[in-house]
Order: sequence, then structure tokens, then C-alpha cells
Amino acid sequence: DQQVKQNSPSLSVQEGRISILNCDYTNSMFDYFLWYKKYPAEGPTFLISISSIKDKNEDGRFTVFLNKSAKHLSLHIVPSQPGDSAVYFCAASGSNFGNEKLTFGTGTRLTIIP
Amino acid sequence: DSGVTQTPKHLITATGQRVTLRCSPRSGDLSVYWYQQSLDQGLQFLIQYYNGEERAKGNILERFSAQQFPDLHSELNLSSLELGDSALYFCASSTPGAGSTDTQYFGPGTRLTVL
Repeated sequence: DQQVKQNSPSLSVQEGRISILNCDYTNSMFDYFLWYKKYPAEGPTFLISISSIKDKNEDGRFTVFLNKSAKHLSLHIVPSQPGDSAVYFCAASGSNFGNEKLTFGTGTRLTIIP
Repeated sequence: DSGVTQTPKHLITATGQRVTLRCSPRSGDLSVYWYQQSLDQGLQFLIQYYNGEERAKGNILERFSAQQFPDLHSELNLSSLELGDSALYFCASSTPGAGSTDTQYFGPGTRLTVL
């Protein structure tokens, strides 16, 4: 049962354009969402997060949007840079679960074309 | 650098063997998490420890066990290894506090290859 889904395994975007990565979830008890970036042979690096009480959170070039009614979140990267090429994972957790475990999507490989 | 360290970086062993993976959390973090990433898949939660006590269990096999020591480092023990156990094993840690607002910071991982 894949509770967090990233339906696009890969995405290619021209340098300078906007990259939009999407994530859907099925468990309505999730109330905290995170995006991680992962380079080969490294651990995931935290990028940005959003609580379910918000619908947008921005940090520099990265913005995460949350649509609770659609159980959908997206990560916008503007402008995209070559160093953004990596695998991006969406993750979720729930404050009522009694623990802080993260449920991850399967990732989207973003390639920025110079 | 996340501040989370994992050793060893690579481990190659044979089926039926037992290995131990080690994780040192970020300074001040009380929670340690273990995740497994098989080829081209997402990270699967295995187990969480909080200040020495098991707090949550995920899809962890009975052949696997973990513990967190008084100095807060953690070890993941994998026994009777099978070919399918080959994967990347990540440790993460988070700041002490309540609920799901603690961001988890990940170590560089241990790549386990079972031959």
C-alpha cells in the first residue's frame, strides 16, 4: 500500500525554467510533509517542509504547496540550476501516530538541461 | 554535512552471515531512525529509537534487530543475510521534541552487498 506516491519517475527541465515536482498521498492523518534531495552515493538532504495548517511555504528558490482537499503537494524550484539535478523524495508523517516515522514516495529524478 | 555519521560506508558479505551497521546521531538528537532503500525504490522505515527505547517499528524483518546505547549511538544488526537484503541502509536523527515537526537529518548511508 503506497501511501505516498510520486507518479513521475523522471523530469527534465531547461536551466532557468521552473521545475515542478508532484506528490500525492492517501492517508488523511498525515499532517507534516517534507521534501528531500538525494545525490548518488549520499544520504537524503532536507530541503523544505510544510505543516498541514499551511498551504504554502517558501525558502529561497524552493516553494512547497499543499492542497489538503486533493491530498496533493508540489515542489516548485525557480529558477532551476544544474546543481538541482538529483532525485527528489516527498515524505510525510502524522503527529497522531505516536512516532515520527517518515513515509517516503519512490522519488522523481530531476535533470536540469544547461 | 548533516552531522549524522554512519559506518562502514560499504559492506560486502556472503549469504548467511551477520553484520552490524553503526550510526552516530547529530549532537543533541535523541531520536534515531533506520531506513532501507532497495534498488530504485523509496526509503522504507525500519525502526525508531528515542533516548534508548524502541519507539516505532516498521517493516523490519525478524532477522534484523537494533538498539540505541546510552551515548545515543545506534546499531542495526542484520543476521542470516539473504541476497535480497542488499540495499542502502540509512540512519537519520532528529531533535528532541514532540510530534511530527522534527525534521530528520540523514547520514550518508551504508551500502550492503550480499553475495
